[in-house]
Amino acid sequence: DAGVIQSPRHEVTEMGQEVTLRCKPISGHNSLFWYRQTMMRGLELLIYFNNNVPIDDSGMPEDRFSAKMPNASFSTLKIQPSEPRDSAVYFCASDLRLALNTGELFFGEGSRLTVL
Amino acid sequence: GQQVMQIPQYQHVQEGEDFTTYCNSSTTLSNIQWYKQRPGGHPVFLIQLVKSGEVKKQKRLTFQFGEAKKNSSLHITATQTTDVGTYFCAGPPGDSGGYQKVTFGIGTKLQVIP
Repeated sequence: DAGVIQSPRHEVTEMGQEVTLRCKPISGHNSLFWYRQTMMRGLELLIYFNNNVPIDDSGMPEDRFSAKMPNASFSTLKIQPSEPRDSAVYFCASDLRLALNTGELFFGEGSRLTVL
Repeated sequence: GQQVMQIPQYQHVQEGEDFTTYCNSSTTLSNIQWYKQRPGGHPVFLIQLVKSGEVKKQKRLTFQFGEAKKNSSLHITATQTTDVGTYFCAGPPGDSGGYQKVTFGIGTKLQVIP
């Protein structure tokens, strides 16, 4: 079975450019998470969706960041305009939430973003 | 908001030595999960503990959930070079209702010296 698929795996861009990261969760999973990982701050939860609905976006750093989940099999995280401090590895994760149960999170391989 | 802290942040051990990492949450946790991330890789789920005081073992790894459900530990007996990586604890607050926001600790980076 395919795991969580993220693209691109690596992105190098210049400050001010728009960046779009993509994620395809595991089929059948109803929750999707976007995390950002840096050396200084570890894994930070940016936003998560349940049944395609954004539940908590309090971790989104500022208005330059936006995320969408138009359907159960696709999500995007967009940064516009990008800044050097956005350089990080962005992980998408999904799981199957049943009632109040927290399931195991399945992570994609990440998108390494470098903003020059 | 909820904070999850881990200590130590870094640990170097000689191969064969034991290793322990500790996880503390500022709020009661509904459950605790542990993940391992190899260098250059992505976090991979190891285990989940749900009950107060629960202890689970996976071969050389022992996981414990505190009685107050605010802390946890991971102990590795006789480390091997394959144990190298960063170990994260993660958990949702106990009062988060139907939607559980999983907050990760900063992780403990383990280096095993052959």
